[in-house]
Amino acid sequence: ETGVTQTPRHLVMGMTNKKSLKCEQHLGHNAMYWYKQSAKKPLELMFVYSLEERVENNSVPSRFSPECPNSSHLFLHLHTLQPEDSALYLCASSQDLGEWANEQFFGPGTRLTVL
Amino acid sequence: DQQVKQNSPSLSVQEGRISILNCDYTNSMFDYFLWYKKYPAEGPTFLISISSIKDKNEDGRFTVFLNKSAKHLSLHIVPSQPGDSAVYFCAASYTQKLVFGQGTRLTINP
Repeated sequence: ETGVTQTPRHLVMGMTNKKSLKCEQHLGHNAMYWYKQSAKKPLELMFVYSLEERVENNSVPSRFSPECPNSSHLFLHLHTLQPEDSALYLCASSQDLGEWANEQFFGPGTRLTVL
Repeated sequence: DQQVKQNSPSLSVQEGRISILNCDYTNSMFDYFLWYKKYPAEGPTFLISISSIKDKNEDGRFTVFLNKSAKHLSLHIVPSQPGDSAVYFCAASYTQKLVFGQGTRLTINP
């Protein structure tokens, strides 16, 4: 595997379910990001991790819970979501923060549908 | 309040002609600007960037222009090729965070 991978690619869940999105980067990067893209809206930054430490939490509801066990893996744990949380969730990585954050490498995304 | 706007949701250009994609921003603190390209079922990929201290950056068929006084950014693709058909996102950076526009879908017609 190369680049940034995300699983699953598609996920349908009920509002009472608990699920997790997984992201893995094979680039040796130190920073990882979660973005949300809703229909006809720009990408919104959700979380930023640097060397497994969360450095940014962009006013995201607590029903989204990120986890970064090591610099290669990033998870987004989902529980009691709402239908308006249906969106494309994109993971990205960069060499580091600072100027390196300007060039981010994205995964293909997970298309989430909440029923 | 959207800080980065791409007002054209779609653009159609004939193969071989110039494609011009536009982007406007409101925050004068942005110091770096980027364009990303996205194909269906793939994540966005970095295309070209420009620092706020420059007004032009060229890379092959792609040129990005920055007009700071107008807070306007544009991407020129010439000549346009069928493989350029994709969604193009403008992004601006400040304090290490990227703020994206909503994207413009470019279609290159043969």
